[in-house]
Amino acid sequence: SQTIHQWPATLVQPVGSPLSLECTVEGTSNPNLYWYRQAAGRGLQLLFYSVGIGQISSEVPQNLSASRPQDRQFILSSKKLLLSDSGFYLCAWSVLGGPVSTEAFFGQGTRLTVV
Amino acid sequence: EDKVVQSPLSLVVHEGDTVTLNCSYEVTNFRSLLWYKQEKKAPTFLFMLTSSGIEKKSGRLSSILDKKELFSILNIIATQTGDSAVYLCAVGFYDAGNMLTFGGGTRLMVKP
Repeated sequence: SQTIHQWPATLVQPVGSPLSLECTVEGTSNPNLYWYRQAAGRGLQLLFYSVGIGQISSEVPQNLSASRPQDRQFILSSKKLLLSDSGFYLCAWSVLGGPVSTEAFFGQGTRLTVV
Repeated sequence: EDKVVQSPLSLVVHEGDTVTLNCSYEVTNFRSLLWYKQEKKAPTFLFMLTSSGIEKKSGRLSSILDKKELFSILNIIATQTGDSAVYLCAVGFYDAGNMLTFGGGTRLMVKP
């Protein structure tokens, strides 16, 4: 069965510090991978998605970047965090797009607080 | 701009009540509508709807889509305290990325 791992679960970082959040998927190959951010009491905002190694699409211009160095690994980074980067970050995967729509499966999330 | 709007924002009911959550959308290239339940961390998948008028059911939960009026409802009958969560609606598109655009969620609290 497929599983998705995301870490760390919580993170407190000072303004201006770098960020690296990691997500890995097991039990599937060539997945679509996504990073979402959820502000308190709000819905999920898509930040990045990837349909393959080294292929990253950005949905929202911001202080963050994403990379996919391996098929089942997705990394969210920042060189210098801002206060506004605080939030709940969720990694997700889905089956690579085709004729049938499929659901996305989510990791447990990282709660980031920038102080 | 694609929009997915959920209502109400929050809802407090008592055990045994029936609730209806709403999701309306204005999007181009609609492919599917999905419902998720988020209790603490990871949203968990409930339903995916692609055709109008076909109800999907799972236990006490059911959902239906109206592609003409561009909305979906999620019904929960005989609510239990374990139904307390944020319910998220999302729309999927025809694109290579199989992306989802989410609504703002409805926070449901079920009191004993």
